Amino acid sequence: GEDVEQSLFLSVREGDSSVINCTYTDSSSTYLYWYKQEPGAGLQLLTYIFSNMDMKQDQRLTVLLNKKDKHLSLRIADTQTGDSAIYFCAVWMDSSYKLIFGSGTRLLVRP
Amino acid sequence: NAGVTQTPKFQVLKTGQSMTLQCAQDMNHNSMYWYRQDPGMGLRLIYYSASEGTTDKGEVPNGYNVSRLNKREFSLRLESAAPSQTSVYFCASSEAGGGYTFGSGTRLTVV
Repeated sequence: GEDVEQSLFLSVREGDSSVINCTYTDSSSTYLYWYKQEPGAGLQLLTYIFSNMDMKQDQRLTVLLNKKDKHLSLRIADTQTGDSAIYFCAVWMDSSYKLIFGSGTRLLVRP
Repeated sequence: NAGVTQTPKFQVLKTGQSMTLQCAQDMNHNSMYWYRQDPGMGLRLIYYSASEGTTDKGEVPNGYNVSRLNKREFSLRLESAAPSQTSVYFCASSEAGGGYTFGSGTRLTVV
């Protein structure tokens, strides 16, 4: 079945850029998502990219998709302490009609 | 506010007790999902309902049952709770493509 992998932890200094990486196995995925989870809360949809796109920018967020390598990344510019959270990569499976989530990357922003 | 509502927010059960977690969405989404989240495990799909009248098993269905009561409501039942079911449970809904909207979660402890 589909496998989605992320590194578990990332620590950056406030004001720096953060890059969170994700790899997946199913090349037929049509939508790829990034979700954010703050402590004690549910998951919040941050952004998504359609599989025929290479890049999508939304204010401080940039999503890059390399379909050949099945690699997705989320770049957060000018990272703030409020960006500290767990970030989940998720891949939509057309074949089974559901999202497959990675295990999440915990981002810690140091003052 | 429109979205996904889960009840209860917190619950403590004794081993062997039963309970039902409730979920309702008001976005007219066809698909609904139940996940559990455990430390270091990310999100694991328990059951899902691609449309009203259908339900399917996810990765970890053992010990659970679901009911898609109508298009709005999707409940999760634990017939005989076990300590291994101590977790945070999230309900989500979506249309095709995977833009899930999540509830705020139910924190369940089984003692």
